[in-house]
Amino acid sequence: EAQVTQNPRYLITVTGKKLTVTCSQNMNHEYMSWYRQDPGLGLRQIYYSMNVEVTDKGDVPEGYKVSRKEKRNFPLILESPSPNQTSLYFCASSFGGSHEQYFGPGTRLTVT
Amino acid sequence: SQQGEEDPQALSIQEGENATMNCSYKTSINNLQWYRQNSGRGLVHLILIRSNEREKHSGRLRVTLDTSKKSSSLLITASRAADTASYFCGLFNAGGTSYGKLTFGQGTILTVHP
Repeated sequence: EAQVTQNPRYLITVTGKKLTVTCSQNMNHEYMSWYRQDPGLGLRQIYYSMNVEVTDKGDVPEGYKVSRKEKRNFPLILESPSPNQTSLYFCASSFGGSHEQYFGPGTRLTVT
Repeated sequence: SQQGEEDPQALSIQEGENATMNCSYKTSINNLQWYRQNSGRGLVHLILIRSNEREKHSGRLRVTLDTSKKSSSLLITASRAADTASYFCGLFNAGGTSYGKLTFGQGTILTVHP
């Protein structure tokens, strides 16, 4: 089944404790992206990747890191999480940035 | 910077009625994509319309794009209770340093009453 998977789905952590949210797709998509969704703010793009080893900042990249070493994986790294990073995070992929996006199920992160 | 604005923020209708939601944007786009989200779940793609297209249909959905006004509308005809969801427009930027960015509006919450 074609899908985008994210892990974990739910995470509660403390300020400053490094964490990684994984994202994997099995559709051989070139483009992958991370978004955060906050009430009243809609979805905001954090980082995107047009292909392996190519990453670019979205609208809200501060406090996040990404890497794209393999085509199928695009992990999101929070080196020192803070409470303002509490949010619902979505990973998405597509054949190219200009094509329809396939979204993962989301990761609900709480930073205390 | 690119920004999508959706209107209305919330829409409440009866089953069988049509629902129209609008999306306006600021800078040139390559395409505009409409998505649906059910209560905290991942977004599901509905329709993609390219900048050189004016109208597209998919089942009960009709999307129009007016690049001169920098706006798009999504029409859902003969709505059903199952159409209750949030709807988002996604703007894929035309080029330059923003190429590859996908910017979303804040969404329209649609409630369809049985």
